[in-house]
Formats: sequence, C-alpha cells, structure tokens
Amino acid sequence: AQSVAQPEDQVNVAEGNPLTVKCTYSVSGNPYLFWYVQYPNRGLQFLLKYITGDNLVKGSYGFEAEFNKSQTSFHLKKPSALVSDSALYFCAVSGFYYGGSQGNLIFGKGTKLSVKP
Amino acid sequence: DAEITQSPRHKITETGRQVTLACHQTWNHNNMFWYRQDLGHGLRLIHYSYGVHDTNKGEVSDGYSVSRSNTEDLPLTLESAASSQTSVYFCASSEERRPLLYGYTFGSGTRLTVV
Repeated sequence: AQSVAQPEDQVNVAEGNPLTVKCTYSVSGNPYLFWYVQYPNRGLQFLLKYITGDNLVKGSYGFEAEFNKSQTSFHLKKPSALVSDSALYFCAVSGFYYGGSQGNLIFGKGTKLSVKP
Repeated sequence: DAEITQSPRHKITETGRQVTLACHQTWNHNNMFWYRQDLGHGLRLIHYSYGVHDTNKGEVSDGYSVSRSNTEDLPLTLESAASSQTSVYFCASSEERRPLLYGYTFGSGTRLTVV
C-alpha cells in the first residue's frame, strides 16, 4: 500500500537560514511525488513535483526538493528561509498504476514550518 | 479563469441534521475528491469521482455520501451530522488519473462545526 510520512510535526528556522522539511514514502513502482503548501484559512497550493528525470526539482517561491530513491525520501529545501514561508507543508505520493484507486494522491500529515525573524 | 469553489465557507449545524457542502469546478476536470483536514491526521480522503455517475468511497466515508450528475459539481452530504464530523473540508480536482502529471487543484475549504 502507498504511504507517506512526515516525521516532524513542526520545524522552526531563523529567517535567512536554510530549511529542510522531511518526507519519506512507500509505493510500489516508480513514485509521483508532490509538495503542497497551505497558508492559514486557505486551500492547498502546489509547490513542486517529481515525476522523472533530475533528482533535484525546483518549484515555486525558491523551494526545491531532492528525490532520493535509495532512501525513499523527497525532502523539501530552501537555501534561505523567509518569515512569509511560515505555513503548513504537505508531502504527497502517487503510484503509477493502470487501474483502481492507486493513482490517487496520498498525503502526509503535514509539517508546520515556523520562520522567526 | 478556471477555478474550483466551495460553499459555504463556514457552516454551523446541529447534531442529526443533514448538511450538504458544495463543490463546483470550471476546469472541466474529470476527477474530483473530497478530503477532511483534522489536526494530527492531515488530509483524509472521504469520497472521490472519476467522472459523471462515478463515485467511490475513500478512507473515511462512513456518514458521508456524494453524487456526480455533471462534470462541474460534486456535492458532499452528511446524512446525519455528528460532532465527530466537525472539521475543515476540502474539495479538489485533477485533470487525469494516470499519470498524475499536474497534481490536484484545491478549493479554499469549508469549515463545518456540528454542535
């Protein structure tokens, strides 16, 4: 069965420092991996995705994520955090299947990122 | 511009009442999904649809139902609201099921309180 884990409920970072939000996954076959961000009282917004190709994926707002197949991880990173990056971040995974519900996105429980000035 | 809208944004209802949450998308997406978001649980799938007249149960479907009579709408009905259904509900849509190239587009959510 597909699953995704975000081991940290909250990550605290000082503004200007690099940030990492962790995600590990389990899926049969090649994964489709996504990161979404949720600001207070808003819906989820797409940040970036990994489908195939280069293991380092660049997305919106200066975020990037590194796909590591051997560690089954897809950590979200940013070289220099901003206070405005404070939000809830969700990792999601889908497998590539030819039928059934396995193509649906499975979401992690979310990690709250807090960036302090 | 295409969009996905949910209504109402906030709803307070009494235990035992039937409640319907609306979701309308103008993306012309075949796939639509309902999730609930609760602290400590993240997003959990309630029901989903891959097209008109197609509906499927998700992880937490008990007490909920959906119907899909057209491409644009997937209303979520709570047959008899319970306090455990107090949550924030999100509707989402996607262009295709496989491969999942574009991810999901989410509505802004409905905050439901059952008293």
